[in-house]
Amino acid sequence: DTGVSQNPRHKITKRGQNVTFRCDPISEHNRLYWYRQTLGQGPEFLTYFQNEAQLEKSRLLSDRFSAERPKGSFSTLEIQRTEQGDSAMYLCASSSVREQYFGPGTRLTVT
Amino acid sequence: DAKTTQPTSMDCAEGRAANLPCNHSTISGNEYVYWYRQIHSQGPQYIIHGLKNNETNEMASLIITEDRKSSTLILPHATLRDTAVYYCIVRPSNYKLTFGKGTLLTVNP
Repeated sequence: DTGVSQNPRHKITKRGQNVTFRCDPISEHNRLYWYRQTLGQGPEFLTYFQNEAQLEKSRLLSDRFSAERPKGSFSTLEIQRTEQGDSAMYLCASSSVREQYFGPGTRLTVT
Repeated sequence: DAKTTQPTSMDCAEGRAANLPCNHSTISGNEYVYWYRQIHSQGPQYIIHGLKNNETNEMASLIITEDRKSSTLILPHATLRDTAVYYCIVRPSNYKLTFGKGTLLTVNP
């Protein structure tokens, strides 16, 4: 399968714990995006990389959130000191020229 | 990005064409119209995009009006697997996507 992959697919954590998600984009894509989706809403943009450079961060991305793409390939999204409001689906997408291709998402539940 | 307006929900009979409208009256000259869909609990799936001309691919057709203020996504022969939320998005180029609430298309047997 040469699509975008995300791991884990599901994560349940207790409030206050740190979590890290991984995204592996389509190999030739130089752009990578993170989105968050809560129930009943469309996905919301979080941040965007071109190669290893993080070019934009949404104000939704509080100080507890950090994303990296160290070698311009896979990316990680870390949430520190999780809160119940962080419960959502976290989606990764990659693109080359125009269209973005999404992964299956990581569903985070904070208890 | 230009704002889009879509109906909240639509129904379609299996085997018939599904025509999903989108209004984007404030679209700028360099903005593309993109369509994505999201089947329950999956990531969004790219369908098609266009700038001025009508476009067709193996999934759908996109009809953009001459003034570019509205468009219609056409699924020529809807199947039960096409039941999903369909998002119409307008943006200038390869950049972040701003999703609205989309149209929930329900294909009925």
